[in-house]
Amino acid sequence: EDQVTQSPEALRLQEGESSSLNCSYTVSGLRGLFWYRQDPGKGPEFLFTLYSAGEEKEKERLKATLTKKESFLHITAPKPEDSATYLCAVPQGGSEKLVFGKGTKLTVNP
Amino acid sequence: GAGVSQSPSNKVTEKGKDVELRCDPISGHTALYWYRQSLGQGLEFLIYFQGNSAPDKSGLPSDRFSAERTGGSVSTLTIQRTQQEDSAVYLCASSFDGNSPLHFGNGTRLTVT
Repeated sequence: EDQVTQSPEALRLQEGESSSLNCSYTVSGLRGLFWYRQDPGKGPEFLFTLYSAGEEKEKERLKATLTKKESFLHITAPKPEDSATYLCAVPQGGSEKLVFGKGTKLTVNP
Repeated sequence: GAGVSQSPSNKVTEKGKDVELRCDPISGHTALYWYRQSLGQGLEFLIYFQGNSAPDKSGLPSDRFSAERTGGSVSTLTIQRTQQEDSAVYLCASSFDGNSPLHFGNGTRLTVT
């Protein structure tokens, strides 16, 4: 069964303290890996799509990378406004259904 | 451009009542998804539409749940004889073609008392 596992479940950082979130997946024939950000009371907001091992995407303080078995979301010098839950998702093999991980709740303290 | 719109934003209902949740996708998006998110849980897939047809209904938890989409646009998720375990946030998302990123609405928070 296709699975997406995110770690850690929660992460507390001080403002400016860089770190990484992990998303590992088991799916046959990866057709993309998606990262989303979710703020409390809101729907997930799309951040990045990665399609092949070695690919990287950047947006402001965030950089997403992809290997054959996992993806990392690197956060450089985070600010309190980066506090959110970060979700990753992959299409289930042979369907259009996106399977989501349970997310990493990031808190950045000023 | 308007995003995905869901209504109502909050719904409180008594156990055993039926509820209808509405989703207005982004104009031109052919794919539409319903997910459920319970407190502390991940997003649980319910159903996927391509146009007006639903090629994947595998996530609907029971026959009390049904969904339809009309005109390739608006979708309604209906829950009959609601139970307390149905309490959750129901999220709708649309995508240009099913292979593109999903764009989510802000959800309907359903509370069954």
